[in-house]
Amino acid sequence: QKEVEQNSGPLSVPEGAIASLNCTYSDRGSQSFFWYRQYSGKSPELIMSIYSNGDKEDGRFTAQLNKASQYVSLLIRDSQPSDSATYLCAGSLNDYKLSFGAGTTVTVRA
Amino acid sequence: GAVVSQHPSRVICKSGTSVKIECRSLDFQATTMFWYRQFPKKSLMLMATSNEGSKATYEQGVEKDKFLINHASLTLSTLTVTSAHPEDSSFYICSASRALRGYEQYFGPGTRLTVT
Repeated sequence: QKEVEQNSGPLSVPEGAIASLNCTYSDRGSQSFFWYRQYSGKSPELIMSIYSNGDKEDGRFTAQLNKASQYVSLLIRDSQPSDSATYLCAGSLNDYKLSFGAGTTVTVRA
Repeated sequence: GAVVSQHPSRVICKSGTSVKIECRSLDFQATTMFWYRQFPKKSLMLMATSNEGSKATYEQGVEKDKFLINHASLTLSTLTVTSAHPEDSSFYICSASRALRGYEQYFGPGTRLTVT
């Protein structure tokens, strides 16, 4: 079983809509979770970190963590064409390495 | 803050030659640096983890004699691909971590290696 799994996508949303991305993890020892955005041909860019249960908001992005359900999500509100990218969910295990999901490709239709 | 640079951004080399890639944390001291490779439309694959002044820890299946990693200072790590072959062609990306900020990793822009 992969340590971090993302819903497969790809996800297509109209401009202005909410994009919802989900991620589950298998290791209950995971403490920290991250969402990275990766444009085609570029390296990943950190957009959100979340360490405790609940919601964390940063601009149009909201990350949600539920440790009991081993579930992490990312909401992108008012989606823009510039949000079109692959989003990678990552969790840190007990040895500071990150385990990455396969990624969800989001396309925002103008 | 948290800027990581990588050089070169793109390199083409002939089979059998060696290529060195540099990774620098520009505005912070990185306790740990990581090297990944990524094939088209695939997720990141961790190759090795390095701490300043100590030997790198390689992931299973990664040849340490082929992918030499040196972490000379808290701001510089290098990856040398020795005797490169076409199957080594890939996108190599480094990242750096600051222990004080949990396990956040900040990625360099990547190096696209093509071996002919």
